[in-house]
Amino acid sequence: DAKTTQPNSMESNEEEPVHLPCNHSTISGTDYIHWYRQLPSQGPEYVIHGLTSNVNNRMASLAIAEDRKSSTLILHRATLRDAAVYYCILRPPRHSGNTPLVFGKGTRLSVIA
Amino acid sequence: DAGITQSPRYKITETGRQVTLMCHQTWSHSYMFWYRQDLGHGLRLIYYSAAADITDKGEVPDGYVVSRSKTENFPLTLESATRSQTSVYFCASSETSVGKNIQYFGAGTRLSVL
Repeated sequence: DAKTTQPNSMESNEEEPVHLPCNHSTISGTDYIHWYRQLPSQGPEYVIHGLTSNVNNRMASLAIAEDRKSSTLILHRATLRDAAVYYCILRPPRHSGNTPLVFGKGTRLSVIA
Repeated sequence: DAGITQSPRYKITETGRQVTLMCHQTWSHSYMFWYRQDLGHGLRLIYYSAAADITDKGEVPDGYVVSRSKTENFPLTLESATRSQTSVYFCASSETSVGKNIQYFGAGTRLSVL
């Protein structure tokens, strides 16, 4: 699996937007970019994923660079409940759900009230 | 809303004892996974299963046994627990539809081996 690079930690003020970067310079043309997050004392949860176009859902937005070598997870208004470790993971589509996730260290997001 | 349930949530055992961690999902997902999470290592795959009676090793399978006689259950057994198996264990399940390559995780089991 291609590798991703994320900052170890980031900090945000409550109710401000947060941009979490991820570099994946060795991404293949068919890899999807997935984001998961892990709240304290909980299992990871899916946030969003995309291939080429920017994506939005109720939790976040995903902005993908034109060359696909980087992406940014955007939380539009951070709340205290968004404090978590965020993981950027590349997923090859050919495995259709059977490939285990390969977790890196992720980015620990702290939200300040 | 369907769910994935792990039990127990907390377990303390002694070295050498056999321990079984349970995982149950109500989605009828074909794929199920066991991960362990240790400080400094993130989540690592122990075993996974593509369907009932089909299992395969992950990154760190030594000392663990799995079985999958029913689609909804995927128990993980530590045959003879060691201190190095003190960890938080997460079970996950996944759909198989193309484009639905998402895993759903349980709340975890925190295991301490004394």
